[in-house]
Amino acid sequence: DAKTTQPNSMESNEEEPVHLPCNHSTISGTDYIHWYRQLPSQGPEYVIHGLTSNVNNRMASLAIAEDRKSSTLILHRATLRDAAVYYCILRDDAGGTSYGKLTFGQGTILTVHP
Amino acid sequence: GAGVSQTPSNKVTEKGKYVELRCDPISGHTALYWYRQSLGQGPEFLIYFQGTGAADDSGLPNDRFFAVRPEGSVSTLKIQRTERGDSAVYLCASSARTPSKDTQYFGPGTRLTVL
Repeated sequence: DAKTTQPNSMESNEEEPVHLPCNHSTISGTDYIHWYRQLPSQGPEYVIHGLTSNVNNRMASLAIAEDRKSSTLILHRATLRDAAVYYCILRDDAGGTSYGKLTFGQGTILTVHP
Repeated sequence: GAGVSQTPSNKVTEKGKYVELRCDPISGHTALYWYRQSLGQGPEFLIYFQGTGAADDSGLPNDRFFAVRPEGSVSTLKIQRTERGDSAVYLCASSARTPSKDTQYFGPGTRLTVL
């Protein structure tokens, strides 16, 4: 799976938007961009994923650059509950040899201040 | 509905002992994954089951680690002759239907401490 690069940490204030960047310059055509987050003392949870077009769901939005070499996870109004480690993961969802396994990096630690 | 559950939540053992960690996936999920997470690191893939068979065990670090899923539901990760370096949180995840396209749902993990 292709490698992703994320900042080690970011900070935000409650009720403000947060933009979490991810670089993936070696992304291949069949790689989907997945975001998971891990709250303290819990297992990771799915946030959002996309291929080329921007995506929105109840948790967040995903903005994907036109060349797909970078993406940004957007939390529109951060809450204290959004404090977590956010992982940007590329996965070949075209049915290749990945068998769906997720390759996690170190992620971005998001701190939300009241 | 019920999510992925893992037991025990914490396990403390002595170096050289044998341990078993259990995972109950979401009902009906055919794909099951084990990951290991060391302190300050992201989870690391260990093994993947599709049904009863291990389709990919390339992440198991050595032959002291073994996992089974005899009836295609519950899975057990077994570690023989534990070493202090095995201390970590062991995470289990499951997904439905086509694993390469589906969301993985993670359990809370089992924290293993080898003294």
